[in-house]
Amino acid sequence: AQSVTQLGSHVSVSEGALVLLRCNYSSSVPPYLFWYVQYPNQGLQLLLKYTSAATLVKGINGFEAEFKKSETSFHLTKPSAHMSDAAEYFCAILNDYKLSFGAGTTVTVRA
Amino acid sequence: NAGVTQTPKFQVLKTGQSMTLQCAQDMNHEYMSWYRQDPGMGLRLIHYSVGAGITDQGEVPNGYNVSRSTTEDFPLRLLSAAPSQTSVYFCASRGQANNSPLHFGNGTRLTVT
Repeated sequence: AQSVTQLGSHVSVSEGALVLLRCNYSSSVPPYLFWYVQYPNQGLQLLLKYTSAATLVKGINGFEAEFKKSETSFHLTKPSAHMSDAAEYFCAILNDYKLSFGAGTTVTVRA
Repeated sequence: NAGVTQTPKFQVLKTGQSMTLQCAQDMNHEYMSWYRQDPGMGLRLIHYSVGAGITDQGEVPNGYNVSRSTTEDFPLRLLSAAPSQTSVYFCASRGQANNSPLHFGNGTRLTVT
């Protein structure tokens, strides 16, 4: 079965600094990978998805992720953090036709 | 377009009580699913459905039942609530393509005392 592991349950960054959230995957087939964001008291929203078309995927709100097969990674980055980026972020992988989620990484942004 | 609508937003139950969490979507999505979210564990799949009349178990199905009589609705039933079922429950749906993104409701926060 396919799975993802998110490294780091909590990340704290200064406003304007780089945001880097790590996700590694395990898959016996070419994976479909996703990043979702969850703001307080809300459901999850799609940030971006990788479906093998391009290794660098751009998403909403200035986020992007790079698929690296050699490292089995799909890390999420944003060059300059904004206060509104404070949220929980989930990496997910398509497992058969069901989505399996990582444990999540909470991002706090310091002024 | 309302998307995915979940009711209620909050619920408190006593151990042994039963209840149904409602989920409706207006996007004509065939695939619907229920997840529970617990701290440090991400989201875990409870049950899912690939179309009306078809349901299947996910990762943590025990203690929950579902049915799918229409494309729009996918209720989740707790037959005899237990404190271990205290969680936030999310309903999600997606289009036909397997790599279509999931659309989530805003969740139901359930406490079982």
